[in-house]
Amino acid sequence: NAGVMQNPRHLVRRRGQEARLRCSPMKGHSHVYWYRQLPEEGLKFMVYLQKENIIDESGMPKERFSAEFPKEGPSILRIQQVVRGDSAAYFCASSPEIWFEAFFGQGTRLTVV
Amino acid sequence: DAKTTQPTSMDCAEGRAANLPCNHSTISGNEYVYWYRQIHSQGPQYIIHGLKNNETNEMASLIITEDRKSSTLILPHATLRDTAVYYCIVRVGNSGNTPLVFGKGTRLSVIA
Repeated sequence: NAGVMQNPRHLVRRRGQEARLRCSPMKGHSHVYWYRQLPEEGLKFMVYLQKENIIDESGMPKERFSAEFPKEGPSILRIQQVVRGDSAAYFCASSPEIWFEAFFGQGTRLTVV
Repeated sequence: DAKTTQPTSMDCAEGRAANLPCNHSTISGNEYVYWYRQIHSQGPQYIIHGLKNNETNEMASLIITEDRKSSTLILPHATLRDTAVYYCIVRVGNSGNTPLVFGKGTRLSVIA
C-alpha cells in the first residue's frame, strides 16, 4: 500500500506564475488535508477536503489559493500569481476517517524566485 | 492554537530511553492525545495516540496520567534515526472538523 504521494517534490516558480501541487491519498482514504510549513516555522493547517467537497478552508489565504479534490484523480492545491512569501513546504495528509491516523506525504517544496 | 506545552529541546544518548513530556492541563473528556514526529525535511509521521489508557505500539509507548493533564511519549531504545521534532497534539478523537494543530514541538537530538 503506497503512502501519500505528492508531486512534484520540488517546484520553482517565478513571481507571478501559477503553482500546482498534487496529492494522491492512500488507497481507501477519502479525507485529504493540506498544511504549509514556512522556513523555520511550524506546520499550519490550510484546508480539509473530502471527495468533491471542501469541508474546512479556515486556514487558506483569502486570495490566490484554491484547492480541489475531484471524484477522479489527485487533490490539487493551486496558487495563482505566486509571490516570494509563498516559498514553503506544502504537505498533504490523508485519512480513512475524519482526522483519524492521518498519514502525511513527503511534501512539495515551492521556491519562488 | 496548540493546547499543549512541550520543552523546546531534549538530548538523549543512543540506546537509552527517550522520555518526552507534554502538558495538556485543559484537555477535555473527549479529547485524545496524538503524537507525531517530523524528521528533517520529511512529512510528519504518526506515532501513537490515546485517550486515557496507556498505549504501546511498535514505535513507542504513551503514558497518560490519571488526571489526563499530562502525558509522556517513550521511545524505549532511541537511535540516531529518532532525531526529529516531536509534536504532542490534543484534539477530539476521530470526529468533528477541528484540524490537527501543530505547536512548536520538542526537538529531540539522539547523541551517539
